Amino acid sequence: GAVVSQHPSWVICKSGTSVKIECRSLDFQATTMFWYRQFPKQSLMLMATSNEGSKATYEQGVEKDKFLINHASLTLSTLTVTSAHPEDSSFYICSASTGAEKPFYTFGSGTRLTVV
Amino acid sequence: DAKTTQPTSMDCAEGRAANLPCNHSTISGNEYVYWYRQIHSQGPQYIIHGLKNNETNEMASLIITEDRKSSTLILPHATLRDTAVYYCIVKDTGNQFYFGTGTSLTVIP
Repeated sequence: GAVVSQHPSWVICKSGTSVKIECRSLDFQATTMFWYRQFPKQSLMLMATSNEGSKATYEQGVEKDKFLINHASLTLSTLTVTSAHPEDSSFYICSASTGAEKPFYTFGSGTRLTVV
Repeated sequence: DAKTTQPTSMDCAEGRAANLPCNHSTISGNEYVYWYRQIHSQGPQYIIHGLKNNETNEMASLIITEDRKSSTLILPHATLRDTAVYYCIVKDTGNQFYFGTGTSLTVIP
């Protein structure tokens, strides 16, 4: 149980275009989802907290107009990287709060974004 | 912000126990210690968590010191597939998980 599906697993896009990444909770409802970014050989950095039916809360230094988050249902959150640039190339990972103690967070398999 | 410190890297011989330490000296009374691991280019995988008592499951054991300022994750019989980055996380009073730098464990044949 508590499976999070992330799609796509990898994407290549041209500079200036936008890319949407989906995060779905498959067998549970997730009122809260989280988006992380991970650069090579670095740890996961929390970007934002996504709450169903309300605006996302962004961590300091993360541009909310560039990284659009939508959490319109209890099983789906999307992250859209707008006007992507090569420096946005990274590994993006979502996670969802299961609402139960164990495991408190379940993570998706990640999306490798390459901007060329 | 991450509230834990871990060694950057460790090696362990295959079949031996891997003991991964974590310091969390500022932990408060209601904060749990969680351990996740990340195999290259995958999402983090839950291992174990605890509050005060030692915990054991099919993957690992978690030993928490009496003062709760540090803990050790034990993989009893490390295999090559246990090679990964291991993250010790103290969940704060908010809802978020903040990752530290983790320990890169290499299991050597």
